[in-house]
Amino acid sequence: NAGVTQTPKFQVLKTGQSMTLQCAQDMNHEYMSWYRQDPGMGLRLIHYSVGAGITDQGEVPNGYNVSRSTTEDFPLRLLSAAPSQTSVYFCASSYSAGTGIPYEQYFGPGTRLTVT
Amino acid sequence: SQELEQSPQSLIVQEGKNLTINCTSSKTLYGLYWYKQKYGEGLIFLMMLQKGGEEKSHEKITAKLDEKKQQSSLHITASQPSHAGIYLCGADLNSGGSNYKLTFGKGTLLTVNP
Repeated sequence: NAGVTQTPKFQVLKTGQSMTLQCAQDMNHEYMSWYRQDPGMGLRLIHYSVGAGITDQGEVPNGYNVSRSTTEDFPLRLLSAAPSQTSVYFCASSYSAGTGIPYEQYFGPGTRLTVT
Repeated sequence: SQELEQSPQSLIVQEGKNLTINCTSSKTLYGLYWYKQKYGEGLIFLMMLQKGGEEKSHEKITAKLDEKKQQSSLHITASQPSHAGIYLCGADLNSGGSNYKLTFGKGTLLTVNP
């Protein structure tokens, strides 16, 4: 298993450009999430999905869109990049065994994005 | 205010010394996850705690959950340079089963000097 994969690893954008960060997992996990990590802020949840066709907003969703057409893929779209979106983005997936039964999230290697 | 507070923010220890990192929540904990991150890399899962009083160990790392205090501690015995990195605690603060929307602390940067 490749686990959770993310592409690209690095990206530089100009203000106003759009792009899609790719995330895929091969573990047949129902749940997938996007986080951003900024210095001094820890990880913050952007969007998440509990299954194909179902997405919802996290703590910091503004400026980002997501969709989940398949179990495997969960792309994150930046519609009009801003310098405030300079960050490291992590995708994660996890298994669901029912309410109250926790399993760990598996994280991808991250995408380092710089917006100038 | 931060829902999940980690302390200390950074820690420098001599190889062979023991150390403890704390993670305190302002809300009820339904699951507590410890991760380790090397600079520029992804998060590596260490341990998960769910029940009050639960304690888990892996090699020289032990994590405990104090449900009443809404706090978890991560203890490393006889630290080694390989233990260096950023330790992050993540918590399910949403009634359980919500491992897809964890709240994270800001992390503790551990340096181990040989």
